[in-house]
Order: sequence, then C-alpha cells, then structure tokens
Amino acid sequence: TQLLEQSPQFLSIQEGENLTVYCNSSSVFSSLQWYRQEPGEGPVLLVTVVTGGEVKKLKRLTFQFGDARKDSSLHITAAQPGDTGLYLCAGAGGGGADGLTFGKGTHLIIQP
Amino acid sequence: EAGVAQSPRYKIIEKRQSVAFWCNPISGHATLYWYQQILGQGPKLLIQFQNNGVVDDSQLPKDRFSAERLKGVDSTLKIQPAKLEDSAVYLCASSHRDTQYFGPGTRLTVL
Repeated sequence: TQLLEQSPQFLSIQEGENLTVYCNSSSVFSSLQWYRQEPGEGPVLLVTVVTGGEVKKLKRLTFQFGDARKDSSLHITAAQPGDTGLYLCAGAGGGGADGLTFGKGTHLIIQP
Repeated sequence: EAGVAQSPRYKIIEKRQSVAFWCNPISGHATLYWYQQILGQGPKLLIQFQNNGVVDDSQLPKDRFSAERLKGVDSTLKIQPAKLEDSAVYLCASSHRDTQYFGPGTRLTVL
C-alpha cells in the first residue's frame, strides 16, 4: 500500500505570514496533484506536477516536485484568510489504474 | 458547464439499514470514481469505472458495498447493511484527461 504523509496536520497562522506544507512518500508517483477542499465541498485541483524537480507557481502559491518524484511541497507567500482550507496532496500512478492516493491533508487556518 | 452532481447531500440512517447514493458526472466524461472520505482523512478510492465497466474495485468492501454504472453515465453506490464505521463523506468524481472533478459529496451518518 502506497502512503502519502502530509505535514503539518494542522497550521494556524496570521494573515501576511508565509508557510510551507509537505507531502512525502516512500513510493514513486508518475504525477502528484495538490487539491484544496472547503467544508461541504469536494476537493478542487490546484496543480499537477509531473517532472522531478518541477516548480509551478499559481499566484502566491509555489509547488515543487522532488527530484525523485516521491515528495512535494506547497509554499504560500503572504497568506490571506481566503487561503483557509484543507490542502490535500494526491499521487497518481501508484495504485490501480489512475485512481488517486490521497494524503490525510493539512488543515490551514489564516487568521485576519 | 455543469459540475458533478450528487444526491442526497446528507443521509442519516441506523446501523444495519441500507442506503444508496447517486452521481451524475460531467457530460462526456467517460471515467467515474467513488471515494470515501472519513472525517480527518483524505479521500480513499472505492471504485473506478471506465464507461460502464469496472477498472478498479480493489478497495471496495464487496461484502456490503456495491456500485453500478449501467448506461455509462449516472452511477449509484449502495451500502447494505451499513455499519457505524461507514460514517463518512462519499465523493463522486469524473475525469477528462488527467483532471478529476469532484462533486460536493454525500455526508452519511450511521447511528
């Protein structure tokens, strides 16, 4: 069974601060995705990283895929209250077919 | 473009009862997934369909869970009989290329 470990599990910071969340695995994935989920809603895809060492930016969010394609990080610059939510990483190409293997997520709260 | 639709949004049942969830994927999406998300955890894949065929059901507890997608469009997920540990949000997703689009989920509470 392939597992994705996310850390920290919970994070509460003040508006304007920077933060990084991590997603680690002992297995190699063909690609890794980051999702954001709000209460009462399904996860929404933020980004897909495919190539080892790849870095993608989405406004204030920077995503990095490790060289060995086993880990990833999400860095948020100048966090805003609207960034509050559950951030999930998910690996593809690990289990059967192309169903995703999700981590447990990082609960992020940005206080105004 | 309409998103993935799920119903009901909430369901409360007693243990040993039966329950069914319905999913209507985005039009044209051939692949459909059911995930179970227990409180405090990430979603776990239960079953994946390609059109009306099952691609992966390795994590589906087949003694009590069943799913079908008879015409390759809508899908239903059934639990019979339900146990307390089945309390969770059941998410349906459909995909186009490499992107999965999730519905809002059905929150099931088993008492």
